Amino acid sequence: SQQGEEDPQALSIQEGENATMNCSYKTSINNLQWYRQNSGRGLVHLILIRSNEREKHSGRLRVTLDTSKKSSSLLITASRAADTASYFCATDPFYNQGGKLIFGQGTELSVKP
Amino acid sequence: KAGVTQTPRYLIKTRGQQVTLSCSPISGHRSVSWYQQTPGQGLQFLFEYFSETQRNKGNFPGRFSGRQFSNSRSEMNVSTLELGDSALYLCASSLADPYEQYFGPGTRLTVT
Repeated sequence: SQQGEEDPQALSIQEGENATMNCSYKTSINNLQWYRQNSGRGLVHLILIRSNEREKHSGRLRVTLDTSKKSSSLLITASRAADTASYFCATDPFYNQGGKLIFGQGTELSVKP
Repeated sequence: KAGVTQTPRYLIKTRGQQVTLSCSPISGHRSVSWYQQTPGQGLQFLFEYFSETQRNKGNFPGRFSGRQFSNSRSEMNVSTLELGDSALYLCASSLADPYEQYFGPGTRLTVT
């Protein structure tokens, strides 16, 4: 079963607004990553946060991680129409033997101009 | 640096046939992972290869197999195709754990 659960499943906002997506997971992790996917194409890595980090920034992206609650959030500030995509959280589980990421079901973000 | 490439991009097969998909990782990346993406099940891990050895395997039947060559290129094979195997198959490469993975554009497989 999927380890990550994302909330909301779909989000529609206006350009310039902020978008917040949440992710919960079940087991201990080495790190948590966020990816973007445009319309059934390959995934693009956005940001990686390690289990001993609480917050990380990259451009307009801000990620938080709460390992006690097993949850993470992705904030995209000042959204643009080009941010329209599906966003996935992926966990690198603590017991990982190699190369395996466990993905959530994703949040579909629609940014209207 | 060239990105991850996957061939073919689109494929239509008939039930019972077999298929081989190919993935060329980013130069220098030794880890290649494969994922299946479907609307119902989402992104599911198939297997991972590192230096020609399978290190990890997901919960898929034995009809799904793979291999990695000495140049890190990887192939996955699906035998006796079923309708439910229709999916986007993604491969990803990385330098090593616990780094981020770089995904290819995927191969869209349709089984009729």
